[in-house]
Amino acid sequence: AQSVTQPDIHITVSEGASLELRCNYSYGATPYLFWYVQSPGQGLQLLLKYFSGDTLVQGIKGFEAEFKRSQSSFNLRKPSVHWSDAAEYFCAVGAHGSARQLTFGSGTQLTVLP
Amino acid sequence: DGGITQSPKYLFRKEGQNVTLSCEQNLNHDAMYWYRQDPGQGLRLIYYSQIVNDFQKGDIAEGYSVSREKKESFPLTVTSAQKNPTAFYLCASTQGSSNQPQHFGDGTRLSIL
Repeated sequence: AQSVTQPDIHITVSEGASLELRCNYSYGATPYLFWYVQSPGQGLQLLLKYFSGDTLVQGIKGFEAEFKRSQSSFNLRKPSVHWSDAAEYFCAVGAHGSARQLTFGSGTQLTVLP
Repeated sequence: DGGITQSPKYLFRKEGQNVTLSCEQNLNHDAMYWYRQDPGQGLRLIYYSQIVNDFQKGDIAEGYSVSREKKESFPLTVTSAQKNPTAFYLCASTQGSSNQPQHFGDGTRLSIL
């Protein structure tokens, strides 16, 4: 079975600073990988996804993520954080042919300082 | 616009009472999912359904029940057997392939009176 680890429970950055959120996965083959963002009291919104091909994936809101097979990682990055990026971020992994679809990490809460 | 509608936004349950959370989608998606979200624990899968009149238990199905009588609807009942129901509940849907992202509703927050 697949699993996802987000090592950082809470990250604080200043507005305008760069951001990297870590995600490590466990899966026996090439996984499907996703990053979602959740604002308080809301559902999850898809930021980006990786299926195959180019290991650097561009998403919405200026986010990108890089798939590194050797490190079993799929870290999310943004070069310059905006105050509106404050939210909780979830990494998820999907297994090929799995009906139950996704396994989610426990999330990283991002605080942005003015 | 197509999307997923969860209702109500807030729900209160008395001890010993069953409550039903509504989830409706107009995306024509085959698969639907219910998750429970607790602080610091991410999303845990309660039930999922790939097709009408069929559903499977997820990781934490005890104390919950579902039905899938229509493609667009996947209601979740939190029964009195669920001893700790206070949580944020999220419904999601997808076209059904494992490489398709899930679309989420805005959730229902259930609290105990």
